[in-house]
Amino acid sequence: EIVLTQSPATLSLSPGERATLSCRASQSIDNYLIWYQQKSGQAPSLLIYDASSRATGIPARFSGSGSGTDFTLTISSLEPEDFAVYYCQQRRSWPLTFGGGTKVEIK
Amino acid sequence: EVQLVEFGGGLVQPGGSLTLSCEASGFAFSGRRMNWVRQAPGKGLEWVSHISRESGIRYADSVKGRFTISRDNAKNSLFLQMDSLRVEDTAVYYCASELETTYHAFDIWGQGTMLTVSS
Repeated sequence: EIVLTQSPATLSLSPGERATLSCRASQSIDNYLIWYQQKSGQAPSLLIYDASSRATGIPARFSGSGSGTDFTLTISSLEPEDFAVYYCQQRRSWPLTFGGGTKVEIK
Repeated sequence: EVQLVEFGGGLVQPGGSLTLSCEASGFAFSGRRMNWVRQAPGKGLEWVSHISRESGIRYADSVKGRFTISRDNAKNSLFLQMDSLRVEDTAVYYCASELETTYHAFDIWGQGTMLTVSS
């Protein structure tokens, strides 16, 4: 099973600041890395797939990068609606696995 | 409107059974690969099960032999039959559809249904 480790667990930032979230895989997953956003009390929503492709309707301030084992989700300038929990997921092999999440909170 | 709606959650005793349903609307359900993903209270996401368009099936080890996924394309519905339930199965269960062009990326999610396993 591929283990995904997200860091930090919590990121305290102010609106307008840049957020950098990390996801590290226990073995190479090529670029088969997906990012989701989950707001409080809501289902997750797809942000980025295959490491760097933005899903339909996702603003350009969200970008993803990385390959192999190290991946990054960057939010260039935080908007109030971006404060949420972010999960990475690998689709390289079964079982599909998620990281433990990074909470982006208002400082 | 593209939508997935889950039904059937509730309170079940350990060892009991329950079936969750998920109804799709606003998109071509039969052409989509479908999944169940769960989230224990205050915890992260855990993939549970997958069913392909042709009914190829996968399970997480934690539910293998106890849960059964199925679909009825004529009724635009996905199901999860859960037997031998354990306290650790307590979670919000989401059904999720995969992107048509990218395997195992979940672009449509339901609102979730809560299962509580407790005596």
